[in-house]
Amino acid sequence: QVQLVQSGSELKKPGASVKISCKASGYTFTSHALNWVRLAPGQGLEWMGWINTNTGSPTYAQDFTGRFVFSLDTSVSTSYLQISSLKAEDTAVYYCAKSKDGYVGHFDYWGQGTLVTVSS
Amino acid sequence: DIQMTQSPSSLSASVGDRVTLTCRASQIIRTYLNWYQQKPGKAPKFLIYAASSLQSGVPSRFSGSGSGTDFTLTISSLQPEDFATYYCQQSYNTPYTFGQGTKLEIK
Repeated sequence: QVQLVQSGSELKKPGASVKISCKASGYTFTSHALNWVRLAPGQGLEWMGWINTNTGSPTYAQDFTGRFVFSLDTSVSTSYLQISSLKAEDTAVYYCAKSKDGYVGHFDYWGQGTLVTVSS
Repeated sequence: DIQMTQSPSSLSASVGDRVTLTCRASQIIRTYLNWYQQKPGKAPKFLIYAASSLQSGVPSRFSGSGSGTDFTLTISSLQPEDFATYYCQQSYNTPYTFGQGTKLEIK
């Protein structure tokens, strides 16, 4: 069965970096885009962007350019989200989500979420 | 960016009720509209895509309709497990955007 398993919660200080992993199984990893979605406290879901799992090319939503980096290791069917120069407002749950068909914009399977807390 | 507006923001209902949630896009998105259910502390669950197509495994009491800018999600007979927050999302173009959510609560 399809599964996306994310790494565990992180507590970081402002200015630090964090790298979250999302390991896929149960489907052909390179045949479906992998998206990243944020849920900040008291907010709704926010699409951060996606990575082409075939070419490794990332696309970022405008609010997530500069400090956010998507990457892949196709040998272990894993995508990564790295956030640098962390700020308190980066405190959120981060989800990876698989596109249902190829590279379409609806997401049929989601990771369990990774809570990143940024606090001094 | 396309703005998605959901109404109401919260709704109280009883088990067995029929409820309809609404989602409006700031521009025409044809039928590129999807619905998700999220419970506290859990990942979103994919319910409906292309406005009216039910994802495999989702109960048939869920249905979606609409095109253009106005869309609805209907639950024909609420079950206890349906109390959650529901999000619409447009996939017409990037950045894909979500509505702010409708929280469905037990009356």
